[in-house]
Amino acid sequence: QQQVKQSPQSLIVQKGGISIINCAYENTAFDYFPWYQQFPGKGPALLIAIRPDVSEKKEGRFTISFNKSAKQFSLHIMDSQPGDSATYFCAASIKTNAGKSTFGDGTTLTVKP
Amino acid sequence: DTAVSQTPKYLVTQMGNDKSIKCEQNLGHDTMYWYKQDSKKFLKIMFSYNNKELIINETVPNRFSPKSPDKAHLNLHINSLELGDSAVYFCASSQDGASGITGELFFGEGSRLTVL
Repeated sequence: QQQVKQSPQSLIVQKGGISIINCAYENTAFDYFPWYQQFPGKGPALLIAIRPDVSEKKEGRFTISFNKSAKQFSLHIMDSQPGDSATYFCAASIKTNAGKSTFGDGTTLTVKP
Repeated sequence: DTAVSQTPKYLVTQMGNDKSIKCEQNLGHDTMYWYKQDSKKFLKIMFSYNNKELIINETVPNRFSPKSPDKAHLNLHINSLELGDSAVYFCASSQDGASGITGELFFGEGSRLTVL
């Protein structure tokens, strides 16, 4: 049973456009929702994360929107750049136990110049 | 100064061989992990160690044996390699429990294993 569903699987966006990746979770015990960014040949790295007590978190061009009642959260990349081309993973976990992180299947983002 | 480092970065070997991947973290974290990323880029946890104690052991063939000599090191030994073991293996660490801050996972750069 997949606990975190991520969509789309792949996304192509023009430079300057908005990239949106969506995730849905099932376990209401999750209290930490990070997004990881992975470039080819590298390991995933934390991009931005949110807790369920807020509905939005913004860091530069990256924003997480969180809907607790719908059990959904999404990543918005404003003014997408070719350097943003990477694979993005959403995850859900319990803050005090990152080992219980459940990852989405990943979204490969390509930003065309 | 790499936070989570793993070696080797690439392994190419024949079916039936045994291989090991080493991992070290200098973040002072209590918990370390091995993840497997397949050709579709799906990330799946294999093992988790907290202060040298195994706490997560997902459904992984017993040909895979992790070993943690101390909390800064977690190695992965694989016996009798099979074609399906070809993947990228990531080591990661986190600081969990009462002293946990963010629940963030810190990943190494990965070890790409190719079994021929």
